[in-house]
Amino acid sequence: NAGVTQTPKFQVLKTGQSMTLQCAQDMNHEYMSWYRQDPGMGLRLIHYSVGAGITDQGEVPNGYNVSRSTTEDFPLRLLSAAPSQTSVYFCASSYGQGRNTGELFFGEGSRLTVL
Amino acid sequence: SQQGEEDPQALSIQEGENATMNCSYKTSINNLQWYRQNSGRGLVHLILIRSNEREKHSGRLRVTLDTSKKSSSLLITASRAADTASYFCATVTAGTYKYIFGTGTRLKVLA
Repeated sequence: NAGVTQTPKFQVLKTGQSMTLQCAQDMNHEYMSWYRQDPGMGLRLIHYSVGAGITDQGEVPNGYNVSRSTTEDFPLRLLSAAPSQTSVYFCASSYGQGRNTGELFFGEGSRLTVL
Repeated sequence: SQQGEEDPQALSIQEGENATMNCSYKTSINNLQWYRQNSGRGLVHLILIRSNEREKHSGRLRVTLDTSKKSSSLLITASRAADTASYFCATVTAGTYKYIFGTGTRLKVLA
């Protein structure tokens, strides 16, 4: 059981470039989400999905795009990278929904630097 | 911003002492969860308390929830050096599937 796997672990981009952060889970979780973590800001929710074909915006969705074509995968796309998107990105998944929304399982993070 | 706040931002204690950290949030919730993050790693779930519960225990952890004050506290008893980490609360907003995290407390336990 690999849990939640994120790739790449490190990436350097130039302003204006696009890229995709990959996230895969092998726990058959319905819920998947992306967060960014900046110093002193905790984790902020970017986008989330409650199942294949269903996505919604979080607190800071601008500049990011997501899709969910399978239960296992939830990629995060940066359309035109900006220095303000320099951050550590975490993918997390959970089995639950609604009042039974359960614990999140996190990947190890992807550290992105935009020059 | 929907983000919650935690205090203190940083806490330094001696091994064997108890550590208490507090979390305040802004919305109605389904449940509240506490997570731990070791430096440079992903977060790990510690404990979940539902909105209709007031207190919960797990090993050396004790969590309380006061929904009227929109606040929670995490108590770690008999702290160990290995408890050194950042601790975050997360709330699941009622009627949504949004997990909203607090700003975190950095705990340092001195041996």
